Amino acid sequence: SQQGEEDPQALSIQEGENATMNCSYKTSINNLQWYRQNSGRGLVHLILIRSNEREKHSGRLRVTLDTSKKSSSLLITASRAADTASYFCATDRGTSYGKLTFGQGTILTVHP
Amino acid sequence: GAVVSQHPSWVICKSGTSVKIECRSLDFQATTMFWYRQFPKQSLMLMATSNEGSKATYEQGVEKDKFLINHASLTLSTLTVTSAHPEDSSFYICSARGQGRQYFGPGTRLTVT
Repeated sequence: SQQGEEDPQALSIQEGENATMNCSYKTSINNLQWYRQNSGRGLVHLILIRSNEREKHSGRLRVTLDTSKKSSSLLITASRAADTASYFCATDRGTSYGKLTFGQGTILTVHP
Repeated sequence: GAVVSQHPSWVICKSGTSVKIECRSLDFQATTMFWYRQFPKQSLMLMATSNEGSKATYEQGVEKDKFLINHASLTLSTLTVTSAHPEDSSFYICSARGQGRQYFGPGTRLTVT
């Protein structure tokens, strides 16, 4: 199956700045999820947004979803060095809930 | 605490040998388990989907005879990499879904020498 695209592929910012990552996908979806992965480690689920939702917040995270453009964005506000990680969007589509298609990921580096 | 575990967390094996990776859901019954593979600096690619008690469904391009999946119980799925080769070296991650919940395991790093 085709994977979505994420941009930027890499993002380098200073602590305190905001980080925005974008994700595009190709098919209709049930929901879209964002995950974080520290180098060589497992995935941490950040947030899930359903196809009928347009925006969702969780702490310093803000996710938007535009199903007409098949795109989503993840905003991390007031970034911290500990936010340094790879971030992936994943779409859950079709009748098989839980079968996720991951984007290529954005490598975020937050400099102290 | 972790609700999905994987064992081992890392393994090194010689080319031609087989390796078994276990994925367990710790406090819920997983009717469906997914196996993903992640090569260095790349994204996760779904390998197969397994439902408890039935045969796994493999994604296009994944050899079912090489990657044997068994989902014999509602809390355990195993992935066996048969006749492993260096190109099978990767990070293997399972995801367990059931009772309205879904979680990823911590991953298993396989290195084939």
